[in-house]
Amino acid sequence: AQKVTQAQTEISVVEKEDVTLDCVYETRDTTYYLFWYKQPPSGELVFLIRRNSFDEQNEISGRYSWNFQKSTSSFNFTITASQVVDSAVYFCALSEIGYNQGGKLIFGQGTELSVKP
Amino acid sequence: DTEVTQTPKHLVMGMTNKKSLKCEQHMGHRAMYWYKQKAKKPPELMFVYSYEKLSINESVPSRFSPECPNSSLLNLHLHALQPEDSALYLCASSPNTQEYFYNEQFFGPGTRLTVL
Repeated sequence: AQKVTQAQTEISVVEKEDVTLDCVYETRDTTYYLFWYKQPPSGELVFLIRRNSFDEQNEISGRYSWNFQKSTSSFNFTITASQVVDSAVYFCALSEIGYNQGGKLIFGQGTELSVKP
Repeated sequence: DTEVTQTPKHLVMGMTNKKSLKCEQHMGHRAMYWYKQKAKKPPELMFVYSYEKLSINESVPSRFSPECPNSSLLNLHLHALQPEDSALYLCASSPNTQEYFYNEQFFGPGTRLTVL
């Protein structure tokens, strides 16, 4: 069965600290996509990154970086020098490729990050 | 234009009312989605439209009725809802091809629905 686990329900840090959000997934398929979304208090889910199962290169975008390790089925997200504006719920999601899968995203339970000044 | 818009932002309705939620995108995306999200939970998929045809219905009760009048618009008609249907309703779109669905989904800001 496909499943995404975000074991950290809530994380609280002080501004400028680095923080890593963990994501572990399960899938029977060899071809799949992983995503991270940010949901600030306003409610809109903001797309952050997509990674396919064949690309294990880590990615850095400004203060954000992602570590994809197929061997451990993990796709962790690190925020460097966190800021108050990073406070949000972060969702990791899995999508399988296939005809008529409908782009079904399987979400983790989310990690609520609170960055205090 | 890289956004998905949803109206209204907030909606309060009684259990006997009929109302509709509207979603619009002008990115040329051919897949559109409705999600329901309860507080402190991840979004739950309700419906998927691909090329204006309903391709997935996640066993949603018939009091929710989706409609896709054209490639840019998605509606969700609500009738005889229950208080437990109160939630944030999110619309999303994606530039999927007809065969494979692997692109990221872009979400609207949602409609906060309260059923009294």
